[in-house]
Amino acid sequence: GAGVSQSPRYKVAKRGRDVALRCDSISGHVTLYWYRQTLGQGSEVLTYSQSDAQRDKSGRPSGRFSAERPERSVSTLKIQRTEQGDSAVYLCASSLGESSYEQYFGPGTRLTVT
Amino acid sequence: KQEVTQIPAALSVPEGENLVLNCSFTDSAIYNLQWFRQDPGKGLTSLLLIQSSQREQTSGRLNASLDKSSGRSTLYIAASQPGDSATYLCAVRQGSGNTPLVFGKGTRLSVIA
Repeated sequence: GAGVSQSPRYKVAKRGRDVALRCDSISGHVTLYWYRQTLGQGSEVLTYSQSDAQRDKSGRPSGRFSAERPERSVSTLKIQRTEQGDSAVYLCASSLGESSYEQYFGPGTRLTVT
Repeated sequence: KQEVTQIPAALSVPEGENLVLNCSFTDSAIYNLQWFRQDPGKGLTSLLLIQSSQREQTSGRLNASLDKSSGRSTLYIAASQPGDSATYLCAVRQGSGNTPLVFGKGTRLSVIA
């Protein structure tokens, strides 16, 4: 089957606007993660959710970032009131859920906030 | 707080050379360690995963070792090829279960033909 996919691949948003990024994970995977990748900070986890939990389990709680899980294999990362510092590549990953299993990454969404 | 460091930040080698990429982590209580490859504009491709109880993993020309007590891992690439040019990322999982990965900033490798 297909791997992890993300949409859109590129997004330009005006500062202050809300954006939503979508991730479709591998069928059967239980845990979905969102990471942010920048040149300065490298790759950092934003949030992740397990199983059918609709609420995110934030690695870095932030009022502007939240994730929803409308379907078992779909996650939507929402960023409210975007700031220029939010410009980054947002990577989604999923895993089977067992502790030893690897995380599989999508191609990422490059967000540019102007 | 776990911190992962990769040295060097960038490396350029001639084709055919064997090379070693280094990764160190401050908290040795890790569950596993994963090496990834990232091509420009692409996502992360998993190369090797080493459980905390293992010493090394091999896949083709790649060999990853883990010295958990000293907080170090190395990725050995044999007979490098231009197609190996990419950024290599090291990441550790701190606990069991579905805890997220903590990444290093990567080593950008260029293999010159």
